[in-house]
Order: sequence, then C-alpha cells, then structure tokens
Amino acid sequence: EPEVTQTPSHQVTQMGQEVILRCVPISNHLYFYWYRQILGQKVEFLVSFYNNEISEKSEIFDDQFSVERPDGSNFTLKIRSTKLEDSAMYFCASSGGSGTGLKGYTFGSGTRLTVV
Amino acid sequence: AQSVSQHNHHVILSEAASLELGCNYSYGGTVNLFWYVQYPGQHLQLLLKYFSGDPLVKGIKGFEAEFIKSKFSFNLRKPSVQWSDTAEYFCAAQPSLSGNTPLVFGKGTRLSVIA
Repeated sequence: EPEVTQTPSHQVTQMGQEVILRCVPISNHLYFYWYRQILGQKVEFLVSFYNNEISEKSEIFDDQFSVERPDGSNFTLKIRSTKLEDSAMYFCASSGGSGTGLKGYTFGSGTRLTVV
Repeated sequence: AQSVSQHNHHVILSEAASLELGCNYSYGGTVNLFWYVQYPGQHLQLLLKYFSGDPLVKGIKGFEAEFIKSKFSFNLRKPSVQWSDTAEYFCAAQPSLSGNTPLVFGKGTRLSVIA
C-alpha cells in the first residue's frame, strides 16, 4: 500500500536555527498538508498545498514557516528560526484529486522536532 | 469555527470490557468523520471513516462508530478491548464539499487497557 514518507524521524536543533522537514507524498496525490502535534496535545493543521501554492493555512503558520515542493516529489516544511515552542511531532499528509480524496488522505509517520 | 470535542481525556478499562469513546463536532453542514489511532511512539492510523450511507461504520481491529446527525456525534465503540488497544484515539471532522480539505481533530482520548 502506498505510503507517505517523512525524514528524518527525529531532529534536534538549537533555538534560532533553521530546519527543513521533508516528506515524500503518495505519487499520484495532488494535495499536501502539514500538521503538528505538541506533546500531549491535539493534532493541529498548519498548511495545505495544491497546484504549487498554499491553498489554506492556519494562524499557527506564520512568517517563520514556509512550504515548498522543490522537485515534484518532495514536499518540505521549513522553519526559519526555531523556537522552543516549535518542539512537536510534525506530520505530513497527502490526498488525491477529485473522486479520490477521502480514500487517499494518508499521514506519514512523523518527524519529531526537538528544539533545545 | 468548526470544532471537535472528545469529552473523555483518559479512559482505563480492563481487558474484555466494552469501550465507547465520545466525539461531537460543531460543523453545521455535511461533514466527513474519522477516527484515528496513535499507538505509543507511532504515527496516526485510520481506524474508520464516515462520509455517507449507513451511519454505522465498521473499521479495522473490531472497531465501529455510529454517526448520529441529530446529536452531531460520532462515537467509537468496541465490544471487547484487548491490551493491545492501549493507545491515543483521535476523532476528526472534515467539511465534505471536498475530500481534500484540512481535518479538524479533537484533543484525543487516551485508552489504557489493563489485564
């Protein structure tokens, strides 16, 4: 069964450093998402991406965050200057186009980001 | 704004006990509804989903959920839990105009199954 792949599984970074979290969505999917889960809290939507642009974003997704699909397969989340409160599990997800969306909403295994 | 409420923060059950986890959503329109499970240290796995048709939905691992539109509820049930069901359970809702919109998650219910 197709999977959404995320790398690395765990990343430790110093406060103020830039991090890039990487995701490889399912190949025929058209919509891509990032969610995060702060330890002990609920999963929160960050951003969705379609047709090479952001389609929707939450208030969490401020100017320090950006997303990119640099090469047609990877989907990245960049945090420019990490803060302690950015420590969380970050999940990537993808879904298909019309007629496939519900069946194809798949989450990756997550990247645990620890900011020290 | 759309929201999802899971009223039980932590549920502790003995093996073979029956389980029901509550989920209510606030969206007034038609919604797609999901239950995800997260085992310790692992990613979210889809247990079951509802988007139309029979309001009683069967999922994996013996779980089922019932959509009650009048109550805005989508409670998760299992007749007999096992120790391996120990995990965090998340209910999520999605406006059903498109299957490609963000999910709104509840805060989760931690289930601990003891021998």
